[in-house]
Amino acid sequence: GQQLNQSPQSMFIQEGEDVSMNCTSSSIFNTWLWYKQDPGEGPVLLIALYKAGELTSNGRLTAQFGITRKDSFLNISASIPSDVGIYFCAGQGPGTYKYIFGTGTRLKVLA
Amino acid sequence: ETGVTQSPTHLIKTRGQQVTLRCSSQSGHNTVSWYQQALGQGPQFIFQYYREEENGRGNFPPRFSGLQFPNYSSELNVNALELDDSALYLCASSSRGETQYFGPGTRLLVL
Repeated sequence: GQQLNQSPQSMFIQEGEDVSMNCTSSSIFNTWLWYKQDPGEGPVLLIALYKAGELTSNGRLTAQFGITRKDSFLNISASIPSDVGIYFCAGQGPGTYKYIFGTGTRLKVLA
Repeated sequence: ETGVTQSPTHLIKTRGQQVTLRCSSQSGHNTVSWYQQALGQGPQFIFQYYREEENGRGNFPPRFSGLQFPNYSSELNVNALELDDSALYLCASSSRGETQYFGPGTRLLVL
């Protein structure tokens, strides 16, 4: 099935470091969502973006809706051990209610 | 406000059997979407229900079917189960066109 490209696929970082990940699409989207998923659980919504260029924060998390409408970025500042998990982006295109998910970025934080 | 709930949490079936998974949407939400998430992959859109009608479908065969009830809860039915149907099945609810919130999922194992 169709999936968005997320980068990096996985990363190990030290506690306290900042983290950046991105998501790209070949087509434009009207909405970008970022989720975090822990093992065996459903994705939990972190940030929702609705407008090209929009920059939104949720605590230590900041996400941006790319101006081309084909990409989005998520940054986590001062990472902590509980940031461990898989981060998914999801995009919704014009004229559809369907969300397409990314391949995921697996984050591991070393204390 | 109650969140999205799903039942059962785990299920084991054999090839050829049929299965029904259930989802109760978050209060105030009238739209339910179902996703299949294979191990190590992002969620794949199966279909969406709005006001008791299918409102979009992903690349899944007809043996995947669903229902939405007047209280906006939903069922996902899968007939003639195959080994590749083993996955985490996620339900997400929303007000139409808006941000989706996921339930914890049902893990299905087909033997």
